[in-house]
Amino acid sequence: QLQLQESGPGLVKPSETLSLTCTVSGGSISSRGDYWGWVRQSPGKGLEWIGSLYYGGDIHYNPSLQSRASISVGTSNNQLSLRLTSVTAADTAVYYCFIRGLIIQPYWGQGTRVTVSS
Amino acid sequence: DIVMTQSPLSLPVTPGEPASISCRSSQSLLFSNGYTYLDWYLQKPGQSPQLLIYLGSNRASGVPDRFSGTGSGTDFTLKISRVEAEDVGVYYCMQALHNPLTFGGGTEVEIK
Repeated sequence: QLQLQESGPGLVKPSETLSLTCTVSGGSISSRGDYWGWVRQSPGKGLEWIGSLYYGGDIHYNPSLQSRASISVGTSNNQLSLRLTSVTAADTAVYYCFIRGLIIQPYWGQGTRVTVSS
Repeated sequence: DIVMTQSPLSLPVTPGEPASISCRSSQSLLFSNGYTYLDWYLQKPGQSPQLLIYLGSNRASGVPDRFSGTGSGTDFTLKISRVEAEDVGVYYCMQALHNPLTFGGGTEVEIK
């Protein structure tokens, strides 16, 4: 069974860049999904999709992030990454990574909490 | 964007009794391959969302069989045959057919 674990700095200063990593174990990230991505949940709020990276290289992002997000995958180290530039307090959230396939069970990580504050 | 609408907003339940949550999408979630891209998640207090149902009706690994997902097209239902105290939390539906992936606003299930 696949397991996903997010990691990154718990605290980021406003205007800086947030970098998160999602490490996949229990299988190869490239063979166990058709696309990968990130979702976040701000305090007391619902769930918001950040973006998805497809197996063939196509990437889609939430327009609300105004081109600040960047998702990449490292098949050699079985990791998925998220970079979010020019962060503000509105980016304070728990960030989750996921793997999805067309007809297989999706998997999510347990999430990593990020606070944007000076 | 596909809008996901859940009802009710809050659902008081009695242990041992059945419960159901509705989710409607603004567009059909049926893909040309015959699969329906609708998931159900439960977020227990203080925890991350856990997958209950995917592709509309498939139970995720380890999910008790008291949970079931039904529906097609734009109308979906999550049913709990006999509610247990551990089932409290916020339930979300999510569509994975079109970008942006979108979620329902959540249904909070609490014990009466």
